[in-house]
Parts: sequence; structure tokens; C-alpha cells
Amino acid sequence: EVQLVESGGGVVRPGGSLRLSCAASGFTFDDYGMTWVRQAPGKGLEWVSGINWNGGSTGYADSVKGRFTISRDNAKNSLYLQMNTLRAEDTALYHCARGGGSWYMDVWGKGTTVTVSS
Amino acid sequence: EIVLTQSPGTLSLSPGERATLSCRASQTVSSSYVAWYQQKPGQAPRLLIYGASSRATGIPDRFSGSGSGTDFTLTISRLEPEDFAVYYCQQYGSSPGTFGQGTKVEIK
Repeated sequence: EVQLVESGGGVVRPGGSLRLSCAASGFTFDDYGMTWVRQAPGKGLEWVSGINWNGGSTGYADSVKGRFTISRDNAKNSLYLQMNTLRAEDTALYHCARGGGSWYMDVWGKGTTVTVSS
Repeated sequence: EIVLTQSPGTLSLSPGERATLSCRASQTVSSSYVAWYQQKPGQAPRLLIYGASSRATGIPDRFSGSGSGTDFTLTISRLEPEDFAVYYCQQYGSSPGTFGQGTKVEIK
């Protein structure tokens, strides 16, 4: 079964850091680009960051550029999002998704919740 | 970045009726790289349509997509009870891959 499972969310104070992980299974991980998408409470979907199959190309939303870093470890079938200098407006459910770049997102994880609050 | 505007914000319909959802882009979406996703409360989004008009695996044929350039449409020919949800369009022709704000299809 094709599956994505996120972890690493939690409650953090403004200015703090978190590292999200996404474990992939059921498909050849390094055949695909991967994406992080977030959803603030009661709001719509926001593209956060994407990475190509080998990590050689990455992209970020303006709202997170310079604070978040996306990476992947194809040997571990894992995707990561290092989030630094967190702000209240980063509070959201963070989904990883298969695809991105010039490709649609056809598999989604259920997400991990990040809450930034003092 | 390309801004996607979905309309209407909310669509109130009865089961069996036809639903027409619109997604307008602020500039031409290259190669009709538009996808539509369905999201139900507490669930991850599900891919319905890609390439503006291709149905994803396992999606019933009552869902169809059309359009090109800047105007795209998702049509649900006859609403089933499980189709009441929020629908998002997304363009992936240029980075960042922006989403529309969503259309909620609710039971009338």
C-alpha cells in the first residue's frame, strides 16, 4: 500500500524550531518529487515547499523562505522539513505529498500538527 | 506567482443535482497543469483530476474537469451523499504551485 506518514509536530514557542519527518512506503521513493503543504485551522491549503527526486532542486513559499529547509534521504525513504524561527502564523496541519514541481500531488499523508504559541 | 480564484465560495445543492465549480487563474497556466482535490473534514486532500481533465485512479466518472488557459471547471454530474466536501483547484505549471481558496459543496 502506498503510504505517507508524517511525524514531528508539536507545540513550540515563537522563535523555536521543529523538524518534521515524512516516512514513505509502498512506492519507489526516489522516482518522485515531494512537497509539504500546510493548512491553518479553518483555512485552505497552502503550498510550503517542494523538492525534486534527488534533492538537487528545492523551492519555498515566500512566507517561509529563509526559515524552513526541505531535504530528503532516499536511502531511508524519508522527507524532512526543518522549521526555524517559528511564528504564530506557522500554526497549521502539515501534510507531505507525493509529487510537486511540474507534477500533481497524488498521494497525501494525514498530516502532523504544529502549534506555535507562548 | 499565479493566483487562483475559485467560485462560488459555497454551493448549496441537493443529492442528484449537478455541481459546477469554477477556477480562474491570474495568468495562463502552462500545459493546462491544473489539478482538483476533494477534502472532507478531518481527512487529507484526495486527488480527483490532473492535467485539467484526466481523472485520477479510482475516481468515479461523475467527476469531470475541463478548461484551458486561465479558466477551468470541475463538474460533478449527479451529486452523491459522499460528494459533499470542500474542493480545491491547484496549478502546478509554475512555481510555487498555488491553490485556490476552495469551494464548499454543502447539502441544501
